[in-house]
Amino acid sequence: QLQLQESGPGLVKPSETLSLTCTVSGGSISSDSYYWGWIRQPPGKGLEWIGSIYYSGSTYYNPSLKSRVTISVDTSKNQFSLKLSSVTAADTAVYYCARRDTVATLAFDPWGQGTLVTVSS
Amino acid sequence: QSVLTQPPSASGTPGQRVTISCSGSSSNIGSNTVNWYQQLPGTAPKLLIYSNNQRPSGVPDRFSGSKSGTSASLAISGLQSEDEADYYCAAWDDSLNGFWVFGGGTKLTVL
Repeated sequence: QLQLQESGPGLVKPSETLSLTCTVSGGSISSDSYYWGWIRQPPGKGLEWIGSIYYSGSTYYNPSLKSRVTISVDTSKNQFSLKLSSVTAADTAVYYCARRDTVATLAFDPWGQGTLVTVSS
Repeated sequence: QSVLTQPPSASGTPGQRVTISCSGSSSNIGSNTVNWYQQLPGTAPKLLIYSNNQRPSGVPDRFSGSKSGTSASLAISGLQSEDEADYYCAAWDDSLNGFWVFGGGTKLTVL
């Protein structure tokens, strides 16, 4: 059973860079049927897609965040990572990683449990 | 402001049928399929409906989805207390080189 687990600092200072890693277990990140994505949810608010990556390194990002986002993949570790630069309090959120099926469902499934990142000095 | 519009809340009593709407535009729902996610309190979202009306394995047939034009709906029949959750619609948007968009979410309360 595929599982995803987010990891990284829970507290980031304003203007610094937020860095998170998603570790995939129970399956290979190098499958050609899936993209791997990051989605965030500010406290008490809705979901926002940040961006996605293919195992080859091909990426696409939310236009509203594109200038500050970098997503990368490390197939040797079965991980993919998120970097969000110049963070402000508005970037405080639970960050989820998820797999997106490109063949059957075309949807995000499954999701990691999420990790709360707070931006504060 | 979310690109897809959902009512912030919905409610029903056990056994009732409730529907949740999701309104979009020609660049998202109008030209792509809709997915629905269920988020139980304190947990990560879970895929509930994909490709407008398909249920993943394990999702009860009490949950159904539909799409017409630039709108979609999620219906829950035989409402149960464990259905109390937040529900989100999502679709691919073809504008600006493409990106995923979500609705603002609907909090379903079982009275």
